[in-house]
Amino acid sequence: GAVVSQHPSWVICKSGTSVKIECRSLDFQATTMFWYRQFPKQSLMLMATSNEGSKATYEQGVEKDKFLINHASLTLSTLTVTSAHPEDSSFYICSEVQAGAVSYNEQFFGPGTRLTVL
Amino acid sequence: RKEVEQDPGPFNVPEGATVAFNCTYSNSASQSFFWYRQDCRKEPKLLMSVYSSGNEDGRFTAQLNRASQYISLLIRDSKLSDSATYLCVVSLYGGSQGNLIFGKGTKLSVKP
Repeated sequence: GAVVSQHPSWVICKSGTSVKIECRSLDFQATTMFWYRQFPKQSLMLMATSNEGSKATYEQGVEKDKFLINHASLTLSTLTVTSAHPEDSSFYICSEVQAGAVSYNEQFFGPGTRLTVL
Repeated sequence: RKEVEQDPGPFNVPEGATVAFNCTYSNSASQSFFWYRQDCRKEPKLLMSVYSSGNEDGRFTAQLNRASQYISLLIRDSKLSDSATYLCVVSLYGGSQGNLIFGKGTKLSVKP
């Protein structure tokens, strides 16, 4: 079956540093990538949608200059949290849609990255 | 009003019990409906899609009422391993595109 990996699985950093999270498709080619985040006791919220080779589309309230998304290949997408602050501490999860899937709702989630900013 | 609202939890039930979760969604244009389960500090995993005709997968039965914008999940003969948070999920898209809109989830704890 499809497998999506994320790295790192958890990270602790100081305020002001940048953190890069990688999301990698291991078994298939992903044309579309969704990045979600989940604050404690809250629902997963979509941050942005990216399609391979084009700019990401950000949801309202998500700063595109702060959360940089690069989807340069069909197997790798990265989310960089620039100048992270404590309020950015969250669980970040990517999901990928298999190229050629009949429905984009066939999404495969990565295991998530837990970010803690001190 | 939140886009997807679920029963407040937690649900604490004994093994073997039947438990039902409810969910309502606000956008009548929603096209696709799902139940996911999420274990603590893990990613969500698809439990089942939900269709207007209702569908069953073993001990799990899901129902969709488009007129009422209501989705349900019934778990029969609960197992300890069913303990998790159950997420009601909708999408505005079917077919060729769509991000998922998640409810906050309802926590289920099955006890021996």
